[in-house]
Amino acid sequence: AQKITQTQPGMFVQEKEAVTLDCTYDTSDPSYGLFWYKQPSSGEMIFLIYQGSYDQQNATEGRYSLNFQKARKSANLVISASQLGDSAMYFCAMRDDKLIFGTGTRLQVFP
Amino acid sequence: SAVISQKPSRDICQRGTSLTIQCQVDSQVTMMFWYRQQPGQSLTLIATANQGSEATYESGFVIDKFPISRPNLTFSTLTVSNMSPEDSSIYLCSAGTGQTLETQYFGPGTRLLVL
Repeated sequence: AQKITQTQPGMFVQEKEAVTLDCTYDTSDPSYGLFWYKQPSSGEMIFLIYQGSYDQQNATEGRYSLNFQKARKSANLVISASQLGDSAMYFCAMRDDKLIFGTGTRLQVFP
Repeated sequence: SAVISQKPSRDICQRGTSLTIQCQVDSQVTMMFWYRQQPGQSLTLIATANQGSEATYESGFVIDKFPISRPNLTFSTLTVSNMSPEDSSIYLCSAGTGQTLETQYFGPGTRLLVL
């Protein structure tokens, strides 16, 4: 059965610094996808980045990058140059046959 | 990317009543899904909305409680039936695109409070 784990309930980072949000997963399917979403207080789910299990390079989207370590089954999100607007809940998700979510990490960026 | 809209955005309902939530996508998508997010929790998949056939429900969710329709590739409805306060949640519509569903977008959600 697929499982996804986020062990950091909350993280703090100073503005302009980088932060890493942890995510580990487990699946027996060799083909899967890993996603990160941002959920601000408004409640919308904002798609950030995607990594396929067969992708050779780590995914990047602007200030977001996904540190994909397949052997360790980890898919950490790195946010560079944090901004105050990055304060939100961040969810890691995985799909093999369906998209399931981790419990989330609340990121707070302070000046 | 797909833009997804939901109606209503929020509602307050009395126990025992039903509410139908509409989801509209601005382009044809491969798959549509319904999720529930209970207060302070993560997202839980309710079901996959299949075009022209019965939805595929996840464990713990049944058609009698959450009937779903998907008459075409861009529209789906979720009904929350015979509501109780435990049904108070955010209900999110989601749509997947791409041959391997490498992107999946979400609607803004419907905030439901059952009294």
